[in-house]
Amino acid sequence: EPEVTQTPSHQVTQMGQEVILRCVPISNHLYFYWYRQILGQKVEFLVSFYNNEISEKSEIFDDQFSVERPDGSNFTLKIRSTKLEDSAMYFCASTPGTATYEQYFGPGTRLTVT
Amino acid sequence: AQSVSQHNHHVILSEAASLELGCNYSYGGTVNLFWYVQYPGQHLQLLLKYFSGDPLVKGIKGFEAEFIKSKFSFNLRKPSVQWSDTAEYFCAVTVYGGATNKLIFGTGTLLAVQP
Repeated sequence: EPEVTQTPSHQVTQMGQEVILRCVPISNHLYFYWYRQILGQKVEFLVSFYNNEISEKSEIFDDQFSVERPDGSNFTLKIRSTKLEDSAMYFCASTPGTATYEQYFGPGTRLTVT
Repeated sequence: AQSVSQHNHHVILSEAASLELGCNYSYGGTVNLFWYVQYPGQHLQLLLKYFSGDPLVKGIKGFEAEFIKSKFSFNLRKPSVQWSDTAEYFCAVTVYGGATNKLIFGTGTLLAVQP
């Protein structure tokens, strides 16, 4: 069964450094998402992406964040200058459509900012 | 803004006990409703979903949920839990007809089933 994959599984970085989190969505899916979960808190929506552009973003997704689909398979989340409060689990998800389709989640990348 | 509440943060049950996890949402329009499960060390998986029709939906592994529109609720149930049901359970909604179908999650309920 096709799966969403994410790399790396764990990333440790120093405050102020740039990080790129990578996701490979399921191949025939068209809509892509990033969510994050700070330890002990709820899973929060960050951004959705369709047709090579952002379709919606949350208040969390400020200018420090960007997303890209550099080729036909990868979907990346870049944090330009990490802060301590960016430490969280980041989940990628994809879906073939929106109306009646579930989102399929990757295993997550645990980002630790020191 | 839409929100989802899960009232039980941590539930401990013995095997064969019945389970009911509460979920309420706040949104006046039509929603799609989901329960996701995250087993230890694994990713979020869909347990069941409700879009329309019969408000009692059945999912995988013997789980079911009932949508009660008047109560804005979508509680998850299982008549007899097993040790393997130990996991974190998340209720989530999407706004029907929304631009992107983003999921709005509750805080999650950690279920521990004792053998």
